[in-house]
Amino acid sequence: GAGVSQSPRYKVAKRGQDVALRCDPISGHVSLFWYQQALGQGPEFLTYFQNEAQLDKSGLPSDRFFAERPEGSVSTLKIQRTQKEDSAVYLCASSPSPRDSGGQPQHFGDGTRLSIL
Amino acid sequence: AQSVTQPDIHITVSEGASLELRCNYSYGATPYLFWYVQSPGQGLQLLLKYFSGDTLVQGIKGFEAEFKRSQSSFNLRKPSVHWSDAAEYFCAVATYGGSQGNLIFGKGTKLSVKP
Repeated sequence: GAGVSQSPRYKVAKRGQDVALRCDPISGHVSLFWYQQALGQGPEFLTYFQNEAQLDKSGLPSDRFFAERPEGSVSTLKIQRTQKEDSAVYLCASSPSPRDSGGQPQHFGDGTRLSIL
Repeated sequence: AQSVTQPDIHITVSEGASLELRCNYSYGATPYLFWYVQSPGQGLQLLLKYFSGDTLVQGIKGFEAEFKRSQSSFNLRKPSVHWSDAAEYFCAVATYGGSQGNLIFGKGTKLSVKP
C-alpha cells in the first residue's frame, strides 16, 4: 500500500490478557518506530528498528512489552499481561533512511486504539 | 534532555481569521523541527519540517512556520483558517545522529474553528 497500515484499528482486552498489534510500513522503508499516545498527550517513543534489528528499546515501559520485525518489513508489538495503564493509541511510523541519517520525516499509520477493561 | 513545549492546550479561532500556534523547544544545538496534524481517529500527517537554511518554511495546506533560534521557537502560522483545519497539532523535535533520531513531541494544541 501507499502508506503505513496498522491493524487492528481498535482492540479491547481484559486486564491480564496478551495482545498483538501489527504494523505494515511503507515498502522499502528501513526505519520503523513505535510510539504510545496516551489520551490528551503527544506520542512517546517506545522502540526503533533498522531493518530487522531492534536498535533501541529504551522507551518500552516494562518487560511486558515486546516488539519484533523478523524480516525487516512487518512489525508486531506485543503486550503481555495487559494492565489498565496500557490503554492508549499505539502508533507506528516508518522512514526511508536509518534514524541516524539526519531528521528524516516519519510517516505515521492511523494507530491502534487499545482499551484494557 | 530535549523537550518541546506547546503552551496552548486549546485554541478557538473564527473561520477566515489568522492562526498562530506556539512551540518552544529545549536543545543545545539546532534540532530538526516538525509540525504534524492529527485529525480524530487518525494518525499524524506531516505539515512541514525545518532542517537548516531559510528560517521560514512553507508546508502543505497553506501553513508556514518560522524558526527563531534566539527564542528557541518554531511557531506555526496560517493567514486564513478553514473549518477543515480543526484538528490537533503537534510540534516535534528530532536531534542529530546516533540514538537521538527519535521524535520528541509536545503535548499538542487542539484547534477549534468557529463558523
